[in-house]
Amino acid sequence: SYVLTQPPSVSVAPGQTARITCGGSKIGSETVHWYLRKPGQAPVVVVSDESDRPSGIPERFSASKSGNTATLTISGVEAGDEADYFCQVWESTSGQPWVFGGGTKLTVL
Amino acid sequence: QVQLQESGPRLVKPSETLSLTCTVSGGSINGYYWTWIRQPPGKEMEWIGYVYYSGSTNYNPSLKSRVTMSLDTSKRQFSLRLSSVTAADTAVYYCARIGGLLDPFDAWGQGTLVTVSS
Repeated sequence: SYVLTQPPSVSVAPGQTARITCGGSKIGSETVHWYLRKPGQAPVVVVSDESDRPSGIPERFSASKSGNTATLTISGVEAGDEADYFCQVWESTSGQPWVFGGGTKLTVL
Repeated sequence: QVQLQESGPRLVKPSETLSLTCTVSGGSINGYYWTWIRQPPGKEMEWIGYVYYSGSTNYNPSLKSRVTMSLDTSKRQFSLRLSSVTAADTAVYYCARIGGLLDPFDAWGQGTLVTVSS
């Protein structure tokens, strides 16, 4: 089965830039979406298809891809950004149409 | 603004059937894939299946023999039944909405932890 690999945790100080990666062998040709999830709350899309931010998501959130890695970048990190972040793709060949990364816990120091 | 809320027993005995319902508030039922996703402790999220607004279904091949999903548009609810559960089915179960295969899941429930234990 297709696997998306994320680091378990990332820590940054307030005001710094956090980069959360999502690795997959076919990710260069896939549409990648990013979500955040806070304890007890529903997951929320933060960036879809690398460039689309839903209303209410600050411009500080951006995404990119290079080779087999997609990256979510959060600039000027704030305490309220502390959450789990996970990536997701549509994968047409593995039997599961949607595949998710394991999630990365962002800690704001 | 659409909101989704899961409901159902939080504790299920081994070999029994797990049953969850997702209630949809706001928005349209039409045009969407209504999905179930789960995350076992310490593992990645796993897509369980979907019921399309037309009523057609598609399930994860690894769970297909045990899963049944349905949609009741009059009640604005869709449901999941997972039979013959084991401890491996212990997970946080989410319901979610997606408009197209390449779209993001744009609405989620907050998730409910279902534990399989005697």
